[in-house]
Amino acid sequence: GENVEQHPSTLSVQEGDSAVIKCTYSDSASNYFPWYKQELGKRPQLIIDIRSNVGEKKDQRIAVTLNKTAKHFSLHITETQPEDSAVYFCAASIRGGSYIPTFGRGTSLIVHP
Amino acid sequence: NAGVMQNPRHLVRRRGQEARLRCSPMKGHSHVYWYRQLPEEGLKFMVYLQKENIIDESGMPKERFSAEFPKEGPSILRIQQVVRGDSAAYFCASSRPAGTYNEQFFGPGTRLTVL
Repeated sequence: GENVEQHPSTLSVQEGDSAVIKCTYSDSASNYFPWYKQELGKRPQLIIDIRSNVGEKKDQRIAVTLNKTAKHFSLHITETQPEDSAVYFCAASIRGGSYIPTFGRGTSLIVHP
Repeated sequence: NAGVMQNPRHLVRRRGQEARLRCSPMKGHSHVYWYRQLPEEGLKFMVYLQKENIIDESGMPKERFSAEFPKEGPSILRIQQVVRGDSAAYFCASSRPAGTYNEQFFGPGTRLTVL
């Protein structure tokens, strides 16, 4: 089955700095990679996703990159703000069908004002 | 369009009692997934259901745990004879039918505490 590794487990940055979270996956058939943000005590919420037919996707201060050959993908947050503080989860799955997404263990991002 | 609904939000049970968690998917979604999250850990898949069918229950313990998604009404995750190790947040998520990317929308979770 799929195995997703996520690093780092904790990331502490100063407000305004950039933050990068990296994930690797094992199943080359995976072609859909969502990222979720979970604030303390709340539900995970999808913030951005990328599909295997593109290498990069950007949405304002958030970007994701995908390297299919190396089987890794990354989340980049620029100009971090205190409200970006949360746990971020990456996941890997296969389009359609009933394939279950496999989640990474999460990265706790702390943005210091 | 209401999001994924879960109830109760908090549930306290004594060891040996039954816990029943409910999940109503988003309108138009026919797939439901249940996950368990322990403190400071990721989301662990438990079971995947469509209406009246269990598609994949590979992540659900064989004993004491069961799930259903009837034709009418919410999906239910049932934990019988709860033990302290069952204390966790249980999230359900829903998605559209197969053939689309499996974007999942999560409910607010049920936090189960076993005394």
